[in-house]
Amino acid sequence: GAVVSQHPSWVICKSGTSVKIECRSLDFQATTMFWYRQFPKQSLMLMATSNEGSKATYEQGVEKDKFLINHASLTLSTLTVTSAHPEDSSFYICSAPQGLNQPQHFGDGTRLSIL
Amino acid sequence: QKEVEQNSGPLSVPEGAIASLNCTYSDRVSQSFFWYRQYSGKSPELIMSIYSNGDKEDGRFTAQLNKASQYVSLLIRDSQPSDSATYLCAVKSNTDKLIFGTGTRLQVFP
Repeated sequence: GAVVSQHPSWVICKSGTSVKIECRSLDFQATTMFWYRQFPKQSLMLMATSNEGSKATYEQGVEKDKFLINHASLTLSTLTVTSAHPEDSSFYICSAPQGLNQPQHFGDGTRLSIL
Repeated sequence: QKEVEQNSGPLSVPEGAIASLNCTYSDRVSQSFFWYRQYSGKSPELIMSIYSNGDKEDGRFTAQLNKASQYVSLLIRDSQPSDSATYLCAVKSNTDKLIFGTGTRLQVFP
C-alpha cells in the first residue's frame, strides 16, 4: 500500500489564487521530505528539501517566497504555491525516505492547472 | 556532462523479450541507486534499489551495478505490454537528494 499520501490530486483555479498541497508519511516519521515539479514530457525537477522543524532548502532558481514549504510535524509537509499563475501549472510530487539510506517513496502527485 | 544520463528512447521490444535499460552517472562516490517506473500522468513507483556491485534480482526485474564503470542497468524479462512506461534511473547524493535521469520510454508491443 501507499506509504506517502498527497492531497489534493487535482486543482483547477483562477490566476492569483494560492494553493496548498499536503504530503503525509503514513506509518513512519519523515524528518526530510522532497518536493518535485514535472512539466509534460520532462523529468522530475527537485524544487526543495523540506526539513522538519527548520527552514526548507530550495534548489537554485526556485523562488522561496513563491513556493512556501512548511514541515511542522514528522509526518506532514505542505507546499503552498502563492499567487499562482498559468506558468505554475504543472505536476507537483512529494517524496519521503522511510529511513536513513532508504529509498524515497512518492506521493501520487498533484496536478495543478491555473486558468 | 549531466549527472545521470539515460537514453530517452523510445525503446521498443516485442512482448516476451528482454528489455535492457541503461544509465550512467558522474559522481564516483554515489552509493545508492534506484530504478523507478512512471506511467503517463502518474507519479514514480520504486521498482528496484541496488547498493553494491553485481546483480540483484526481483521477479522479472534484474538491476546491475558496476561502480568502476559508473554504470547501472535494469533488465526486464518476459516483457509485457503493461511494462510500457518511462523508467527513471536515480542516484542518491551525499545530501540524501535523488538525482534523476531524464528517463527512458519503453514500449512493449504485442
